Amino acid sequence: DGGITQSPKYLFRKEGQNVTLSCEQNLNHDAMYWYRQDPGQGLRLIYYSQIVNDFQKGDIAEGYSVSREKKESFPLTVTSAQKNPTAFYLCASSIAGATNEKLFFGSGTQLSVL
Amino acid sequence: QQQVKQSPQSLIVQKGGIPIINCAYENTAFDYFPWYQQFPGKGPALLIAIRPDVSEKKEGRFTISFNKSAKQFSLHIMDSQPGDSATYFCADTNAGKSTFGDGTTLTVKP
Repeated sequence: DGGITQSPKYLFRKEGQNVTLSCEQNLNHDAMYWYRQDPGQGLRLIYYSQIVNDFQKGDIAEGYSVSREKKESFPLTVTSAQKNPTAFYLCASSIAGATNEKLFFGSGTQLSVL
Repeated sequence: QQQVKQSPQSLIVQKGGIPIINCAYENTAFDYFPWYQQFPGKGPALLIAIRPDVSEKKEGRFTISFNKSAKQFSLHIMDSQPGDSATYFCADTNAGKSTFGDGTTLTVKP
């Protein structure tokens, strides 16, 4: 089955620690995205990538980093500089440049601070 | 700054009712207006979408009404069912970037 796989489902971070969230897709999509979701709020864009080895900051990139070494993978690192990391993190992909800009989402990773 | 304003924040209807969720946008460069449905603990999934060259689109029990001059669009759910209980997000998309509303939590009572 084609889709987006996020892991782990739940993640706990200790103060001062960096943690990495995994996102893999087998949809052959060029574009991938990371969103943060807080209770009662919409999805806010952290980083996005339209092509391998290239990515751009979204609206709330501070305290986060990404890489795009392979088309199918777009891991997100939550660094110790992110002082309020507790949130639900969603990875998505789409066909870059298509007129139909539908986003396909993974099932999310809930990150909590110990 | 919020570019998409969604209302109401929550909505409760009886089974068979017609909930209506509204969104207003600011940036006229947006060219794709989707609605996503999200169940607890899951990622959102596309429900229905519209482009600004049409005023209405229907897919099953779901209808989008689009008012370009007012920069507003709304989602109507006909004959709502308890299984429709979820959080609904509108979004505006341009050049591959989507901006989301804050979401509407819909509860359909049996």
